[in-house]
Amino acid sequence: AQSVTQLDSQVPVFEEAPVELRCNYSSSVSVYLFWYVQYPNQGLQLLLKYLSGSTLVKGINGFEAEFNKSQTSFHLRKPSVHISDTAEYFCAVSASNAGNMLTFGGGTRLMVKP
Amino acid sequence: GAVVSQHPSRVICKSGTSVKIECRSLDFQATTMFWYRQFPKKSLMLMATSNEGSKATYEQGVEKDKFLINHASLTLSTLTVTSAHPEDSSFYICSAEIAGETQYFGPGTRLLVL
Repeated sequence: AQSVTQLDSQVPVFEEAPVELRCNYSSSVSVYLFWYVQYPNQGLQLLLKYLSGSTLVKGINGFEAEFNKSQTSFHLRKPSVHISDTAEYFCAVSASNAGNMLTFGGGTRLMVKP
Repeated sequence: GAVVSQHPSRVICKSGTSVKIECRSLDFQATTMFWYRQFPKKSLMLMATSNEGSKATYEQGVEKDKFLINHASLTLSTLTVTSAHPEDSSFYICSAEIAGETQYFGPGTRLLVL
């Protein structure tokens, strides 16, 4: 079984500042990793995913994440945030040998202040 | 990109009535669809996995007679909340998977049971 921990439930940050949202996972098998964003009263939108290859993954809206196998982490970063980035962010994993069944972290609320 | 729709987006019903939520993949055929439940300010919890033409697989603790899932075609899955009660009020999100690829999420359905 897999588990995902998002260490920060809320991250306040000023506009145009950099941000990092942390995600750690545990799994006994190799995994695929995902970051999703959820705006209020909406479903989830895929930001980026890591399946294989380069450990630095670039996604939409200027976000990127780096897979670190030794630290079992997949932190999400953006060099300069906008007010419109205010949302809930979910990290998720799926076992590479078990289809696409996702296990989600608890979520991190990113609050961008003017 | 792959688009998943849900209908209705919001529903209010009286306690004891049944509510049906539809999940459709609009521009692709989904081999598997997933149903999630999300409580306020919480992460997504997988309720069940459904494959076209077969019975859904429910997660532990989810009452299959309470939450009826029908996956009649490769583009449509329905979740029926039977004899709904106020504790069933929640945000229900579906996702659809193209075989071997990522899950694509619907916009969610807000259910309020009075």
